[in-house]
Amino acid sequence: AQSVTQPDIHITVSEGASLELRCNYSYGATPYLFWYVQSPGQGLQLLLKYFSGDTLVQGIKGFEAEFKRSQSSFNLRKPSVHWSDAAEYFCAVGAFGGAQKLVFGQGTRLTINP
Amino acid sequence: SQTIHQWPATLVQPVGSPLSLECTVEGTSNPNLYWYRQAAGRGLQLLFYSVGIGQISSEVPQNLSASRPQDRQFILSSKKLLLSDSGFYLCAGAGQGVSEAFFGQGTRLTVV
Repeated sequence: AQSVTQPDIHITVSEGASLELRCNYSYGATPYLFWYVQSPGQGLQLLLKYFSGDTLVQGIKGFEAEFKRSQSSFNLRKPSVHWSDAAEYFCAVGAFGGAQKLVFGQGTRLTINP
Repeated sequence: SQTIHQWPATLVQPVGSPLSLECTVEGTSNPNLYWYRQAAGRGLQLLFYSVGIGQISSEVPQNLSASRPQDRQFILSSKKLLLSDSGFYLCAGAGQGVSEAFFGQGTRLTVV
């Protein structure tokens, strides 16, 4: 069974600063990896995804993530955060083609200081 | 485009009452469907997933059940709600095979 760990429950950064949100996964086969963002009281919006190919993937809103198989990681980055980036971020791993499960990490709440 | 319709947006129910949350999908056929619960300050807990009509997999033993009577309809139910069933419930869908999931706007359930 797959699992996801997001070690940071809450991160605070200043507006304009760089951001990195950590994600580690556990899965025995090729992982399909996702980052989602959730604004308060809303559903989830897909930021980016990794299925195969280039390990550095670009997403919406200026986000990118890098898949590192040797470290079982899929960290999310943004070079300069904006106040509107304040939200909850979720990493997920999908076991498609078999069990069809999509499992999420516990989430990281991002606060932006002006 | 793929869309998940989920209702109601908010619901307040007394302890011991039944529950039925409905989710319907547009824009794709034979999707994988999921029910998640998000408790306050916690992540997303996968409750049920379905790969087809009548096929339900339960992830966590609990007071809830799910059904998929039609290809694009996914229902979360309970016969008797508990206080611990309070939370934010999200329905999600994904195309067969390799595909990202798309989410509904969620239902905020408060059991009183």
